[in-house]
Amino acid sequence: EPEVTQTPSHQVTQMGQEVILRCVPISNHLYFYWYRQILGQKVEFLVSFYNNEISEKSEIFDDQFSVERPDGSNFTLKIRSTKLEDSAMYFCASRDRGQETQYFGPGTRLLVL
Amino acid sequence: RKEVEQDPGPFNVPEGATVAFNCTYSNSASQSFFWYRQDCRKEPKLLMSVYSSGNEDGRFTAQLNRASQYISLLIRDSKLSDSATYLCVVGSGWGQNFVFGPGTRLSVLP
Repeated sequence: EPEVTQTPSHQVTQMGQEVILRCVPISNHLYFYWYRQILGQKVEFLVSFYNNEISEKSEIFDDQFSVERPDGSNFTLKIRSTKLEDSAMYFCASRDRGQETQYFGPGTRLLVL
Repeated sequence: RKEVEQDPGPFNVPEGATVAFNCTYSNSASQSFFWYRQDCRKEPKLLMSVYSSGNEDGRFTAQLNRASQYISLLIRDSKLSDSATYLCVVGSGWGQNFVFGPGTRLSVLP
């Protein structure tokens, strides 16, 4: 069964450093998403991406965040200058056209020190 | 008002019990509705979509009441493997961005 993959599974970084989280969505899917989940809290929407551009973004997704689809398979989330409060699990998701269900990757656990 | 609210939990039930989860959502323009389950430190996994006509998948039954903006999930004959956090999820907007409830944790005890 096709699945969303994410790398790395864990990332530890120093405050102020840039991080890039990578995702490979399910191959025929057209809609891509990033969510985050701070430990002990609910999953929160960050950004959605379709047709090589951002469709929608939340208040969390400020100028420090950016997304890119650099090739036909990868979908990345960059945090330019990490803060302590960026420590969370980051989930990538994708869905197919005409479908409502989103499929989630296993997540990247980011720890900012 | 929170966008998606769920029973605070946790629910601790014996094997074989029937357990019901409740969820309400605030955005009347929401278009899609789901129950996902999340195991500890794992990704959300789709349990079932929820429709106004109600739907059943084995031991699981989900209902949607659009008028009262209420979603429910019933688990019959609960198993140890049902232990997880159950997430009520609502899709809104053009991109069907998901809004998650805080989740209700279920522990099924032997």
